[in-house]
Amino acid sequence: ETGVTQTPRHLVMGMTNKKSLKCEQHLGHNAMYWYKQSAKKPLELMFVYSLEERVENNSVPSRFSPECPNSSHLFLHLHTLQPEDSALYLCASSQDHSPLHFGNGTRLTVT
Amino acid sequence: AQSVTQLDSQVPVFEEAPVELRCNYSSSVSVYLFWYVQYPNQGLQLLLKYLSGSTLVKGINGFEAEFNKSQTSFHLRKPSVHISDTAEYFCAVSDTDSWGKFQFGAGTQVVVTP
Repeated sequence: ETGVTQTPRHLVMGMTNKKSLKCEQHLGHNAMYWYKQSAKKPLELMFVYSLEERVENNSVPSRFSPECPNSSHLFLHLHTLQPEDSALYLCASSQDHSPLHFGNGTRLTVT
Repeated sequence: AQSVTQLDSQVPVFEEAPVELRCNYSSSVSVYLFWYVQYPNQGLQLLLKYLSGSTLVKGINGFEAEFNKSQTSFHLRKPSVHISDTAEYFCAVSDTDSWGKFQFGAGTQVVVTP
């Protein structure tokens, strides 16, 4: 139990599909994050939510749409993705000045 | 804005030998520094952190790192590695005045062989 749970672990979708990634944190943290991890590249910060308000959006294409209904849950809605969007998507949470706690990620393949 | 450079993309090492993973950063303000480890098919796990105080930081699994402000470095070391230390290691930095904006390095793959 990592404290941050991501589902599904693996996802294969076509370019015309709509799917959602889910993240749930059981640590009582007040901030949640989406990161994209591609091979041989640094982690890319996509979105940050603090107290359920989006505070960071790093020029992410609109085909990625985040949702944070409460401080424990974070979603990433996906539609009309491109093959280059295939990657490991990591969710993380933190509290004030604590380090990030990561989930195990969703391995996304866009065909 | 800050940036992080991990100088080695892959480090092969024999079991029970020492290992050092290099990390350099650039930032115009004070920073917090972190090392994370990622095992296959898992997320990142915190190894250790430097927030303030002693520049020598000890973490889990026998790892330690030293913060060198003049050289803007935060190298990770372990005196004797195990096969189970085979993983990818990430250095990360966060400005002290803008918590939440972590910048990660590209990672160093450590491969431990018998």
